[in-house]
Order: sequence, then C-alpha cells, then structure tokens
Amino acid sequence: DAGVTQSPTHLIKTRGQHVTLRCSPISGHKSVSWYQQVLGQGPQFIFQYYEKEERGRGNFPDRFSARQFPNYSSELNVNALLLGDSALYLCASSLGPEPQHFGDGTRLSIL
Amino acid sequence: TQLLEQSPQFLSIQEGENLTVYCNSSSVFSSLQWYRQEPGEGPVLLVTVVTGGEVKKLKRLTFQFGDARKDSSLHITAAQPGDTGLYLCAGWYSNYKLTFGKGTLLTVNP
Repeated sequence: DAGVTQSPTHLIKTRGQHVTLRCSPISGHKSVSWYQQVLGQGPQFIFQYYEKEERGRGNFPDRFSARQFPNYSSELNVNALLLGDSALYLCASSLGPEPQHFGDGTRLSIL
Repeated sequence: TQLLEQSPQFLSIQEGENLTVYCNSSSVFSSLQWYRQEPGEGPVLLVTVVTGGEVKKLKRLTFQFGDARKDSSLHITAAQPGDTGLYLCAGWYSNYKLTFGKGTLLTVNP
C-alpha cells in the first residue's frame, strides 16, 4: 500500500514568491496535518484538516493557508515567502487523531 | 505553550554501548509518542505510551512513560550502527496538535 506522498520533493523559490505544496494521504485516511521542520529542530504543527474542515492551527502567520479536497488530499500554500520559511514541510495522515503516518516531506529553499 | 525538552541534543557512541534519551515537560500529556527520523525521510512512529508508569519494549528499545505523564525515556541496549538517526518525542495536546521536542541526534559508530 502506498504511504503518504508529497510533491514536489524539493523546491527553490525567492523571497516574496508564493508556493503550493501537495499531499496525498494513505487511502482511507480522512485527517491530514501539516508540520514545518527547520534544520536542527523538531517538526512544528501548522494545520490539521479532517473531512475538509480545519480542526486546528498552530502559531503561524496568515501567510500560511491550507485546504483539503473531497478526495482527502491537501494543499499547503505560503504567500510572500521569507528566508525563514526555508524548511522541510511534512504532511501526516491518520484515520483519527493518532497515530500519524508521515510523508518524506518537501524541502523548500528560499533564496 | 506546551514544550517538550529532550536531552541530550547530540549523542555519539560506539557500537555495543547502551544509551538513554530523556523527554521532559511541565505539562501533562494524554499520550506520548517516540519517532525516529533518518536524513531525507519523514519521522517513523516507534511507540505510543498512554498510561502513567507504562513500559514498552521494541526489541532492543525500551520506552517508559513517567507516573505523572509529564516525562518519558528511551533506552537502547547494545546500540548498532542501524540505530543512527534523529529520535523525536512528541506529546498530544488536544486532539489535533502533536507537539514535538527538538530531538536527539544519535550516531552509533562501528
């Protein structure tokens, strides 16, 4: 069975640009969460979506937004990119709130 | 703000040695998870502990949840090079927010 898949695997953007990251959950999983992992740190919670509705949001600015589609896939959008947005963005899916199965992430570099 | 502090941050040992990694918080968590992450990959769940005082074993790895559900430890016996990786503890705060520690980067030298 396919695990959580994320695309693209790597991305390079410049400051001020916009980026869209995509996530396909494990088949049957209705919950998708997004995390940001800066080098040398643990993942930090950004959003959780369940049945297409936002269930929770971490301490991130409004430049970060997300949505979940009817097929339970999800997109994370970041506007007005800053150098500090450079990180590994992880998506995790689950049947319920726990446990969570993580994808291998999208490595975003801001120049 | 729920914070999880992990120690040590870095650990480099020789194959065959034992080690313990600690995870501490001032908050009570409903459950706590341990993950291992290798370079270029996402975290992989090792174990979930739920009950205060609970001990779980996974081959050479032993996980313990503190009686007050505020701390946890991971003990590895006879470490092997394949154990190398970033070990992360994470606690559940509410039903949707998983809070991670900064991790312990373990290197096991052959």
